Amino acid sequence: KAGVTQTPRYLIKTRGQQVTLSCSPISGHRSVSWYQQTPGQGLQFLFEYFSETQRNKGNFPGRFSGRQFSNSRSEMNVSTLELGDSALYLCASSPGGAGAHNEQFFGPGTRLTVL
Amino acid sequence: AQSVTQLGSHVSVSEGALVLLRCNYSSSVPPYLFWYVQYPNQGLQLLLKYTSAATLVKGINGFEAEFKKSETSFHLTKPSAHMSDAAEYFCAASYNFNKFYFGSGTKLNVKP
Repeated sequence: KAGVTQTPRYLIKTRGQQVTLSCSPISGHRSVSWYQQTPGQGLQFLFEYFSETQRNKGNFPGRFSGRQFSNSRSEMNVSTLELGDSALYLCASSPGGAGAHNEQFFGPGTRLTVL
Repeated sequence: AQSVTQLGSHVSVSEGALVLLRCNYSSSVPPYLFWYVQYPNQGLQLLLKYTSAATLVKGINGFEAEFKKSETSFHLTKPSAHMSDAAEYFCAASYNFNKFYFGSGTKLNVKP
C-alpha cells in the first residue's frame, strides 16, 4: 500500500497570505489528523477528520481550518499567515473506526516558511 | 488535562550501551500509549504501542517498552544502541478516538 502523501513538501509564503496543504491518506483509512511541529512547541494536534466530519479539535485559532472529502483526502487551510505559523505540518491517517485507538501513519510533512 | 511528559530533551549514549528514554502520562485511566521515531526531515514512524494486552511491548529495531500503571510510565528501552538509532523519539497517548497527545520529544545521540 502507498503511504500517506502530502503536497507540497515545501512552501514559502509571506505574512497575510493564505495557504492550503493537502494530504492523501493510506487507501482504506477514513481518519486524517493534522499536527503542527515547531522546535519550541513540539507536536501540537490541530484537528482530526473522520468520514468528512471534524471529530476532534485542538487549541488553534480559527485561522486554521480543514476539510475532508468523500475519498478521505484532506486539506488544511491557514488564512492570514503569521511568522509564527512557520512549521512542519504533519498529516497522519488511520482506519479510525468508532472506539479505535489505532496507530497513526504519518506523512513526510509540509515545511511552511512564512516571511 | 491529559498530558505526556518525556524526561530529558537530549540523551547521549555510546554505541552498544543501554538506551532508556522516559515517558510518563497523566491520567488515572491508562490511555493507549505509543512510541514514535522521527529521522531528520521525515515524518514519524511507529516503534511500538501499548493497548493493555501485555505490559511489556516489543517493537521494531529491537526496542521495547514496559507499561507500569503504578508509576504512570511507559519507558522505552533498547539493550544495545546502534548508530542508526540516532533520531528523535516521541511518546504519545490516546485518550479518545484518534486524539493524540505527544510528549516534547527526546533526541537520542549515539556516540561511536
